[in-house]
Amino acid sequence: AQKITQTQPGMFVQEKEAVTLDCTYDTSDQSYGLFWYKQPSSGEMIFLIYQGSYDEQNATEGRYSLNFQKARKSANLVISASQLGDSAMYFCAMMSNNAGNMLTFGGGTRLMVKP
Amino acid sequence: GAGVSQSPSNKVTEKGKDVELRCDPISGHTALYWYRQSLGQGLEFLIYFQGNSAPDKSGLPSDRFSAERTGGSVSTLTIQRTQQEDSAVYLCASSLSRSTSPLHFGNGTRLTVT
Repeated sequence: AQKITQTQPGMFVQEKEAVTLDCTYDTSDQSYGLFWYKQPSSGEMIFLIYQGSYDEQNATEGRYSLNFQKARKSANLVISASQLGDSAMYFCAMMSNNAGNMLTFGGGTRLMVKP
Repeated sequence: GAGVSQSPSNKVTEKGKDVELRCDPISGHTALYWYRQSLGQGLEFLIYFQGNSAPDKSGLPSDRFSAERTGGSVSTLTIQRTQQEDSAVYLCASSLSRSTSPLHFGNGTRLTVT
């Protein structure tokens, strides 16, 4: 069974600073994908970034980067130069073929950016 | 292009009534998912459709919940004899293929059972 753990229920960051949101996962599968989603107060789920288990490079998308440490089974999201609009819930998720291709979500981290 | 469309956006129903929630996925997406999100909580997987394969119903919380997907496109989630604990936001998502494709979510249906 897959399990995603996000240990930070809430975090504050000062505007323009970088912040790391933690995510660890548990799976016996060798091939899997890791995703991060943002959910602002409007409720929509916005895809941010993807990392494949066989990708050798850490994924980056603009101000988002994924610190992928396969041996430690962690996939932390780094947001650089935080903006007020980054205030939202952030969910880490995982999918693997052997787990029926369902996307399993962590409990989320609420990020609050202070001006 | 058009994203995932869900209707209604809000639904208030009395305990014991049946409700139907609709999801119209992105055209060409073969995979369709239903999730449930209670207030302030994470997402709970309900059911997954992939092409013409039998759906993965392992997340449905009780036999009052069912879903179908007609013609590989539109999906309907039905909740029979609704209970107050069914109150949540029901999110639908679609994707192109397996494991490497991100899910694209609709804006959800907020269900309130009174």
